[in-house]
Amino acid sequence: RKEVEQDPGPFNVPEGATVAFNCTYSNSASQSFFWYRQDCRKEPKLLMSVYSSGNEDGRFTAQLNRASQYISLLIRDSKLSDSATYLCAVNGGGYQKVTFGTGTKLQVIP
Amino acid sequence: SQTIHQWPATLVQPVGSPLSLECTVEGTSNPNLYWYRQAAGRGLQLLFYSVGIGQISSEVPQNLSASRPQDRQFILSSKKLLLSDSGFYLCAWSSYSNSPLHFGNGTRLTVT
Repeated sequence: RKEVEQDPGPFNVPEGATVAFNCTYSNSASQSFFWYRQDCRKEPKLLMSVYSSGNEDGRFTAQLNRASQYISLLIRDSKLSDSATYLCAVNGGGYQKVTFGTGTKLQVIP
Repeated sequence: SQTIHQWPATLVQPVGSPLSLECTVEGTSNPNLYWYRQAAGRGLQLLFYSVGIGQISSEVPQNLSASRPQDRQFILSSKKLLLSDSGFYLCAWSSYSNSPLHFGNGTRLTVT
């Protein structure tokens, strides 16, 4: 089993739609979780950290389910500018090591 | 504020040539430092990480090496490049364990 797994997509959704991504992780000792956004041929940029209680930033909501070992990202009211690849990241193995999923590609269609 | 510098932005090197990529962080002390590689259309592969000067953890055995000669400097090297070393190399830092990573702009390496 991979340390961090994501559905590669692509997810093609119309503007205004709500879309959700999941990311599963294998190390139950993992302590911190993040979502990143990566535009084509650019570096990943931090979108949000994921906290145990769940957190929201505008149209974006992140959730953590420790029992099932997955994190999720919900995007409401999708914009064309949301088109990108979304990477989840999980720490583990001593907490300094951070492993990324392969990313889920989102294409928002007019 | 903290900034991370990574250079060069692009690099074309022949097979068998050496490699040196440098990354520096400003505005923080004793950061955790990371090298990742992203092959075309693929995910981020962790290559090395470091929690202090002279301390390097290697994740993938290969012909690459890393060094951390100064607190905020991280260098990725190879003595002889392979075609399979082509990719997008990303340096990142975090301020402490459990904090998010912040990436440099990356170096796009093509080995010909």
